[in-house]
Amino acid sequence: DIQMTQSPPSLSASVGDRVTITCRASQSVNSYLSWFQHKLGQAPKLLIFGASTLQSGVPSRFSGSGAGTDFTLTISSLQPEDFATYYCQQSYSAPRTFGQGTKLEIK
Amino acid sequence: EERLEESGGGVVRPGGSLRLSCVASGFTFDDFGMSWVRQAPGKGLEWVSEINWNGDNIGYGDSVKGRFTISRDNAKNSVYLEMNSLRAEDTALYYCARRLGGYYYMDVWGRGTTVSVTS
Repeated sequence: DIQMTQSPPSLSASVGDRVTITCRASQSVNSYLSWFQHKLGQAPKLLIFGASTLQSGVPSRFSGSGAGTDFTLTISSLQPEDFATYYCQQSYSAPRTFGQGTKLEIK
Repeated sequence: EERLEESGGGVVRPGGSLRLSCVASGFTFDDFGMSWVRQAPGKGLEWVSEINWNGDNIGYGDSVKGRFTISRDNAKNSVYLEMNSLRAEDTALYYCARRLGGYYYMDVWGRGTTVSVTS
């Protein structure tokens, strides 16, 4: 199975900050990497697929990069609605594993 | 509007069984694969299972393999998760999600149904 490791596990930041979350795969997943935003009581929301393609309707302050084993999610200027937990997921092979999540909190 | 609605969750004793359902609306169901993902209390997301558009390609997570069975009925726009030999660690909020081809990403999610396994 492919293991996905996210860092940091948690992050405190302020509105307007630039934030980067990293995700590392235990073996290459090519560009089969998605990022999700998850808020309590809501369904997870797809932000990025194919490592760098922004899902329709997602604000352009979100961006993804990377290929192979190392990936990043960047939020260029944090907004109040961005405080949530973020997950990466590889869809290269089953089981299609998630990272453990990064909880983004208000400083 | 593309929607998924899960049902069938509840409280069950260890060793028991439960069948979850997910009904789709607003899109052509048999054009897509479907997945189940769960979140245990205080834990992260865990991929559980997936099925392709016609049911001939199926996958399971290691923790549920041999106990859970995914299936679908395209005539009813529905996907199911039959859960047997349930354990306390299966307690979670279970989501179904639409899986697109190509990169196999999950773009539409339901709000989930809760399963509690307790004696």
